[in-house]
Amino acid sequence: EPEVTQTPSHQVTQMGQEVILRCVPISNHLYFYWYRQILGQKVEFLVSFYNNEISEKSEIFDDQFSVERPDGSNFTLKIRSTKLEDSAMYFCASWQSGATYEQYFGPGTRLTVT
Amino acid sequence: AQKITQTQPGMFVQEKEAVTLDCTYDTSDPSYGLFWYKQPSSGEMIFLIYQGSYDQQNATEGRYSLNFQKARKSANLVISASQLGDSAMYFCAMRDIGNQFYFGTGTSLTVIP
Repeated sequence: EPEVTQTPSHQVTQMGQEVILRCVPISNHLYFYWYRQILGQKVEFLVSFYNNEISEKSEIFDDQFSVERPDGSNFTLKIRSTKLEDSAMYFCASWQSGATYEQYFGPGTRLTVT
Repeated sequence: AQKITQTQPGMFVQEKEAVTLDCTYDTSDPSYGLFWYKQPSSGEMIFLIYQGSYDQQNATEGRYSLNFQKARKSANLVISASQLGDSAMYFCAMRDIGNQFYFGTGTSLTVIP
Protein backbone atom coordinates (compact mmCIF):
# COMPACT_ATOMS: atom_id res chain seq x y z
CA GLU A 1 0.00 0.00 0.00
CA PRO A 2 1.35 3.45 -0.85
CA GLU A 3 2.45 5.58 2.05
CA VAL A 4 3.69 9.04 2.90
CA THR A 5 7.11 9.07 4.50
CA GLN A 6 8.67 11.74 6.67
CA THR A 7 12.20 12.33 7.87
CA PRO A 8 13.53 12.70 10.45
CA SER A 9 11.17 11.07 12.93
CA HIS A 10 12.52 13.30 15.70
CA GLN A 11 14.50 16.52 15.43
CA VAL A 12 15.99 18.43 18.33
CA THR A 13 17.20 21.94 17.62
CA GLN A 14 18.20 25.06 19.50
CA MET A 15 16.07 28.17 19.48
CA GLY A 16 16.94 30.41 16.54
CA GLN A 17 18.21 27.60 14.34
CA GLU A 18 16.74 26.67 10.98
CA VAL A 19 15.18 23.27 10.45
CA ILE A 20 13.97 21.48 7.35
CA LEU A 21 11.39 18.77 7.67
CA ARG A 22 11.13 16.39 4.76
CA CYS A 23 8.25 14.49 3.30
CA VAL A 24 7.82 12.17 0.37
CA PRO A 25 4.16 12.21 -0.64
CA ILE A 26 2.49 9.46 -2.59
CA SER A 27 3.72 9.76 -6.13
CA ASN A 28 0.50 10.35 -8.06
CA HIS A 29 -1.05 12.67 -5.50
CA LEU A 30 -1.66 16.29 -6.40
CA TYR A 31 -2.29 18.08 -3.11
CA PHE A 32 0.21 18.25 -0.28
CA TYR A 33 -0.31 19.55 3.20
CA TRP A 34 1.58 20.35 6.36
CA TYR A 35 -0.11 20.21 9.74
CA ARG A 36 1.13 20.89 13.23
CA GLN A 37 0.02 19.24 16.43
CA ILE A 38 1.25 20.63 19.72
CA LEU A 39 1.39 17.86 22.29
CA GLY A 40 -2.08 16.90 23.46
CA GLN A 41 -3.82 19.43 21.23
CA LYS A 42 -5.66 19.35 17.96
CA VAL A 43 -4.21 19.03 14.51
CA GLU A 44 -3.74 22.50 13.01
CA PHE A 45 -3.55 23.20 9.31
CA LEU A 46 -0.43 25.08 8.22
CA VAL A 47 -0.33 25.10 4.44
CA SER A 48 -1.53 23.36 1.32
CA PHE A 49 0.41 23.05 -1.90
CA TYR A 50 -0.92 22.34 -5.35
CA ASN A 51 0.54 22.66 -8.80
CA ASN A 52 3.91 23.70 -7.40
CA GLU A 53 2.60 26.60 -5.39
CA ILE A 54 0.94 27.37 -2.10
CA SER A 55 -2.82 27.23 -2.50
CA GLU A 56 -3.82 28.09 1.08
CA LYS A 57 -2.04 28.92 4.30
CA SER A 58 -3.17 29.53 7.84
CA GLU A 59 -2.37 32.37 10.21
CA ILE A 60 0.24 30.13 11.82
CA PHE A 61 2.17 29.95 8.56
CA ASP A 62 3.99 33.25 8.89
CA ASP A 63 7.22 34.47 7.32
CA GLN A 64 9.38 32.07 9.27
CA PHE A 65 7.81 29.14 7.42
CA SER A 66 8.31 28.13 3.82
CA VAL A 67 7.55 25.09 1.71
CA GLU A 68 9.21 23.71 -1.36
CA ARG A 69 8.94 20.86 -3.76
CA PRO A 70 12.58 20.83 -4.85
CA ASP A 71 12.23 17.79 -7.08
CA GLY A 72 9.50 15.46 -8.24
CA SER A 73 9.26 13.57 -4.99
CA ASN A 74 10.21 15.61 -1.92
CA PHE A 75 8.07 18.18 -0.16
CA THR A 76 9.81 20.20 2.53
CA LEU A 77 8.81 22.51 5.34
CA LYS A 78 11.46 24.98 6.45
CA ILE A 79 11.29 26.88 9.71
CA ARG A 80 13.81 29.69 9.49
CA SER A 81 14.39 30.70 13.08
CA THR A 82 12.80 28.25 15.46
CA LYS A 83 11.07 29.32 18.64
CA LEU A 84 10.24 27.29 21.72
CA GLU A 85 6.57 27.32 20.73
CA ASP A 86 7.39 25.59 17.44
CA SER A 87 7.90 22.39 19.40
CA ALA A 88 5.24 20.06 18.05
CA MET A 89 4.56 17.09 15.85
CA TYR A 90 4.54 18.06 12.19
CA PHE A 91 2.50 15.92 9.84
CA CYS A 92 2.75 15.86 6.10
CA ALA A 93 -0.26 14.62 4.15
CA SER A 94 -1.09 14.08 0.52
CA TRP A 95 -4.31 13.72 -1.37
CA GLN A 96 -4.97 12.56 -4.88
CA SER A 97 -8.21 14.52 -5.37
CA GLY A 98 -10.98 13.51 -7.71
CA ALA A 99 -12.74 10.26 -6.97
CA THR A 100 -10.53 9.33 -4.06
CA TYR A 101 -11.13 11.02 -0.77
CA GLU A 102 -8.67 9.74 1.75
CA GLN A 103 -5.94 12.13 2.81
CA TYR A 104 -2.90 10.05 3.61
CA PHE A 105 -0.84 11.17 6.57
CA GLY A 106 2.81 10.55 7.14
CA PRO A 107 4.04 9.28 10.51
CA GLY A 108 5.06 12.77 11.58
CA THR A 109 8.25 14.50 12.68
CA ARG A 110 8.50 15.43 16.32
CA LEU A 111 10.31 18.75 16.57
CA THR A 112 11.75 19.75 19.91
CA VAL A 113 13.12 23.27 20.25
CA THR A 114 15.33 23.85 23.28
CA ALA B 1 -14.75 30.57 13.36
CA GLN B 2 -14.68 27.01 14.58
CA LYS B 3 -15.45 24.75 11.65
CA ILE B 4 -15.41 21.44 13.50
CA THR B 5 -16.64 21.02 17.06
CA GLN B 6 -16.07 17.99 19.21
CA THR B 7 -17.66 18.59 22.59
CA GLN B 8 -16.46 15.44 24.35
CA PRO B 9 -12.86 15.81 25.48
CA GLY B 10 -12.92 12.32 27.01
CA MET B 11 -15.16 9.28 26.80
CA PHE B 12 -15.18 5.89 28.49
CA VAL B 13 -16.80 2.75 27.16
CA GLN B 14 -16.98 -0.80 28.39
CA GLU B 15 -15.34 -3.38 26.17
CA LYS B 16 -17.80 -4.89 23.66
CA GLU B 17 -20.21 -1.98 24.06
CA ALA B 18 -20.98 0.63 21.40
CA VAL B 19 -19.94 4.26 21.74
CA THR B 20 -20.84 7.43 19.87
CA LEU B 21 -18.36 10.26 19.43
CA ASP B 22 -19.96 13.56 18.59
CA CYS B 23 -18.97 15.95 15.84
CA THR B 24 -20.68 19.01 14.46
CA TYR B 25 -19.43 21.11 11.60
CA ASP B 26 -19.99 24.53 10.16
CA THR B 27 -19.93 25.25 6.46
CA SER B 28 -22.03 26.89 3.80
CA ASP B 29 -20.31 24.98 1.01
CA PRO B 30 -22.66 22.78 -1.02
CA SER B 31 -19.97 20.13 -1.36
CA TYR B 32 -17.74 18.93 1.44
CA GLY B 33 -16.35 15.77 2.93
CA LEU B 34 -16.32 14.57 6.50
CA PHE B 35 -13.70 12.29 7.98
CA TRP B 36 -12.79 10.55 11.16
CA TYR B 37 -9.22 9.79 12.12
CA LYS B 38 -7.84 7.74 14.97
CA GLN B 39 -4.62 8.74 16.69
CA PRO B 40 -3.24 6.11 19.05
CA SER B 41 -0.61 6.93 21.63
CA SER B 42 2.08 6.16 19.06
CA GLY B 43 1.04 9.36 17.28
CA GLU B 44 0.18 8.36 13.74
CA MET B 45 -3.06 9.51 12.11
CA ILE B 46 -5.17 6.59 10.91
CA PHE B 47 -8.05 7.21 8.53
CA LEU B 48 -11.26 5.50 9.65
CA ILE B 49 -14.22 6.61 7.60
CA TYR B 50 -15.45 9.17 5.09
CA GLN B 51 -18.84 10.70 4.33
CA GLY B 52 -19.48 12.90 1.32
CA SER B 53 -22.02 15.68 1.65
CA TYR B 54 -24.07 14.28 -1.21
CA ASP B 55 -24.00 10.69 0.01
CA GLN B 56 -27.51 9.53 0.75
CA GLN B 57 -26.54 6.68 3.01
CA ASN B 58 -24.48 6.75 6.16
CA ALA B 59 -20.96 5.47 5.65
CA THR B 60 -19.88 2.23 7.27
CA GLU B 61 -16.47 0.60 7.54
CA GLY B 62 -16.44 -2.56 9.59
CA ARG B 63 -17.18 -1.62 13.19
CA TYR B 64 -17.24 2.08 12.34
CA SER B 65 -20.28 3.92 11.10
CA LEU B 66 -20.90 7.58 10.58
CA ASN B 67 -24.25 8.95 11.66
CA PHE B 68 -24.64 11.79 9.16
CA GLN B 69 -27.40 14.27 9.87
CA LYS B 70 -27.00 16.96 7.27
CA ALA B 71 -29.70 19.30 8.51
CA ARG B 72 -28.16 19.29 11.96
CA LYS B 73 -24.63 19.47 10.52
CA SER B 74 -23.53 16.55 12.59
CA ALA B 75 -21.31 13.60 11.71
CA ASN B 76 -21.08 11.38 14.74
CA LEU B 77 -18.84 8.33 14.75
CA VAL B 78 -20.30 5.13 16.12
CA ILE B 79 -17.92 2.36 17.14
CA SER B 80 -19.65 -0.92 17.74
CA ALA B 81 -18.31 -3.76 19.88
CA SER B 82 -15.48 -1.69 21.36
CA GLN B 83 -12.10 -3.32 21.74
CA LEU B 84 -9.21 -2.41 24.00
CA GLY B 85 -7.25 -1.37 20.93
CA ASP B 86 -9.84 1.31 20.22
CA SER B 87 -8.44 3.40 23.07
CA ALA B 88 -7.05 6.47 21.31
CA MET B 89 -7.74 10.07 20.34
CA TYR B 90 -10.38 10.47 17.66
CA PHE B 91 -10.48 13.49 15.40
CA CYS B 92 -13.33 14.62 13.21
CA ALA B 93 -12.30 16.56 10.12
CA MET B 94 -13.89 18.31 7.19
CA ARG B 95 -12.65 19.01 3.70
CA ASP B 96 -14.22 22.14 2.27
CA ILE B 97 -14.92 23.05 -1.32
CA GLY B 98 -11.47 24.59 -1.57
CA ASN B 99 -9.85 21.29 -0.55
CA GLN B 100 -8.79 22.59 2.85
CA PHE B 101 -9.02 20.27 5.82
CA TYR B 102 -10.16 21.35 9.27
CA PHE B 103 -9.84 19.24 12.38
CA GLY B 104 -11.71 19.22 15.65
CA THR B 105 -10.07 19.24 19.05
CA GLY B 106 -10.45 15.50 19.41
CA THR B 107 -12.06 13.06 21.81
CA SER B 108 -9.99 10.76 23.95
CA LEU B 109 -11.64 7.35 24.11
CA THR B 110 -10.77 4.86 26.80
CA VAL B 111 -12.08 1.32 26.53
CA ILE B 112 -12.46 -0.34 29.92
CA PRO B 113 -11.99 -4.11 30.15
